[in-house]
Amino acid sequence: DTGVSQDPRHKITKRGQNVTFRCDPISEHNRLYWYRQTLGQGPEFLTYFQNEAQLEKSRLLSDRFSAERPKGSFSTLEIQRTEQGDSAMYLCASSLGRINQPQHFGDGTRLSIL
Amino acid sequence: QQPVQSPQAVILREGEDAVINCSSSKALYSVHWYRQKHGEAPVFLMILLKGGEQKGHDKISASFNEKKQQSSLYLTASQLSYSGTYFCGTEPSSNTGKLIFGQGTTLQVKP
Repeated sequence: DTGVSQDPRHKITKRGQNVTFRCDPISEHNRLYWYRQTLGQGPEFLTYFQNEAQLEKSRLLSDRFSAERPKGSFSTLEIQRTEQGDSAMYLCASSLGRINQPQHFGDGTRLSIL
Repeated sequence: QQPVQSPQAVILREGEDAVINCSSSKALYSVHWYRQKHGEAPVFLMILLKGGEQKGHDKISASFNEKKQQSSLYLTASQLSYSGTYFCGTEPSSNTGKLIFGQGTTLQVKP
């Protein structure tokens, strides 16, 4: 069990640029979640996958955000035309697909928009 | 709707006890508790399910009252390692996987 891995750990970019983050879940976990966390707040749900299927997407998520999990293993989160308000920590978590399973978080990708 | 945690912050001496509360305005299926240290990932502590179940994890335990839509986390004989921010994550219905987190309670344990 190597844990949830996220890459990169930090990303600094100019407003208007596109960014992509990667998440590798714990190998036997078929559920994968994306959250966003800003300073002093709890994680905010963005979207989640069961295997390769995206089952729910937050209504707060603008159409500039897209996530994929093409083979049911790793996932990518892309933000197009980044804005200042996108600056945050983006956390990925994974869990087994059975009910009442804990979500295990990665260390996150910190995004800073200049 | 985001659950409300109280207190927002607490400072303890080693060996003292603390209670952190999590209240929701909506019916809940389960409550998940996490601890996050500065710059690190949230770490899972425990899940509480409907049924008023109380679970324990070393000297940390929790209860869940689904009628009141509340959960409480109890930290007894606190240790320096307990310092961090505690979050409750609420799950409104079974197996949605989606957690709605509170704003957090910052706990500082001093020697």
